[in-house]
Amino acid sequence: NAGVMQNPRHLVRRRGQEARLRCSPMKGHSHVYWYRQLPEEGLKFMVYLQKENIIDESGMPKERFSAEFPKEGPSILRIQQVVRGDSAAYFCASSPETGSSYEQYFGPGTRLTVT
Amino acid sequence: AQSVAQPEDQVNVAEGNPLTVKCTYSVSGNPYLFWYVQYPNRGLQFLLKYITGDNLVKGSYGFEAEFNKSQTSFHLKKPSALVSDSALYFCAVRVAYGQNFVFGPGTRLSVLP
Repeated sequence: NAGVMQNPRHLVRRRGQEARLRCSPMKGHSHVYWYRQLPEEGLKFMVYLQKENIIDESGMPKERFSAEFPKEGPSILRIQQVVRGDSAAYFCASSPETGSSYEQYFGPGTRLTVT
Repeated sequence: AQSVAQPEDQVNVAEGNPLTVKCTYSVSGNPYLFWYVQYPNRGLQFLLKYITGDNLVKGSYGFEAEFNKSQTSFHLKKPSALVSDSALYFCAVRVAYGQNFVFGPGTRLSVLP
């Protein structure tokens, strides 16, 4: 059973460009979470999605950031007009069920560098 | 609001010695507590969790953690450290009604040969 897949693993963008990060959850998982990790810091929650629905986006900046999890295909985190402060590692996690007792399974992350 | 503290940025221990990585939490409800480990340039790997029941929970790679409600702590322990345990360790909490984790800042564990 393949784990959570993220691509690309490394992404370099110039200021003002768009970044698209992809996440394929584990097979059978319908709940996806995105987190951001700044260097030497813990992970900060950004958004929680189920298929075709955003459940909780309380951690996502109001501007330039958006996320989707379509009926078919991976979840996408999109960052428009990137700035240097967006440089971070972005992790996706998935879980099979909703409910606080379930652990989340994390992907390897996408490291975004904005030059 | 939920919060997690890991009071030590760095823990150094000699191989073969017992290790403890500390975690305290603050929540306004029943806590569900988790430990994850992160190796360099990798995602987080689940180690163990406390949901209910026995306060001592056992997890992967010989790790265990003790839930202490009165001290609001969930310290990670291992009786005998290995050099390969060197990594970044994160404590996380959720409340019974919540979906997302709140992570601590992480503790870097170095096991010296």
